[in-house]
Amino acid sequence: GENVEQHPSTLSVQEGDSAVIKCTYSDSASNYFPWYKQELGKRPQLIIDIRSNVGEKKDQRIAVTLNKTAKHFSLHITETQPEDSAVYFCAASTRGRSGGSNYKLTFGKGTLLTVNP
Amino acid sequence: KAGVTQTPRYLIKTRGQQVTLSCSPISGHRSVSWYQQTPGQGLQFLFEYFSETQRNKGNFPGRFSGRQFSNSRSEMNVSTLELGDSALYLCASSLYGSGAGNQPQHFGDGTRLSIL
Repeated sequence: GENVEQHPSTLSVQEGDSAVIKCTYSDSASNYFPWYKQELGKRPQLIIDIRSNVGEKKDQRIAVTLNKTAKHFSLHITETQPEDSAVYFCAASTRGRSGGSNYKLTFGKGTLLTVNP
Repeated sequence: KAGVTQTPRYLIKTRGQQVTLSCSPISGHRSVSWYQQTPGQGLQFLFEYFSETQRNKGNFPGRFSGRQFSNSRSEMNVSTLELGDSALYLCASSLYGSGAGNQPQHFGDGTRLSIL
């Protein structure tokens, strides 16, 4: 399978609070998990990624955790700011229809994060 | 380095017509992937090209096709357009593509296609 489920679909937090977005995947061979931020009318931008040989990765206020056994990964944003408001997409590398080593990215449906001042 | 460039930015077509979209990847990137983005379905994978060969394909009908040139530029074609094809079409480039090493993908601004 190549499903990627993302929750919640919308998230509203107060400035300074933390935000957590969770994703689950079904392909046991998935080994690369990027997160993208898309502001209104703009292109998706890669904000952080993690590979399957790592359980956690942090970059300033952003962190991602991966649980390969449970097949889920999460994005954590601390000390949120109004400029963090955007749609966030998780993705997982999944095998193509013919299997083998040709992976593609399968995206979750996105989370609209609103940070209220 | 210049980013991923997509042309045109906006396009209006009518049902039954065909359309060609263009994508120039980041210099040195050899893989180009195409996605369809709609409010209800999010980002859906169309296909990936690497070294002028289609390496992977999503679950879209044969009306959607693409190609890649020797300079890694890619085009996407949609024939016999339907109302449901209205969407933002995004391309993304990476050094080797997710088929070999699972490299990060960098997106262009997209082409907004509207079907009347």
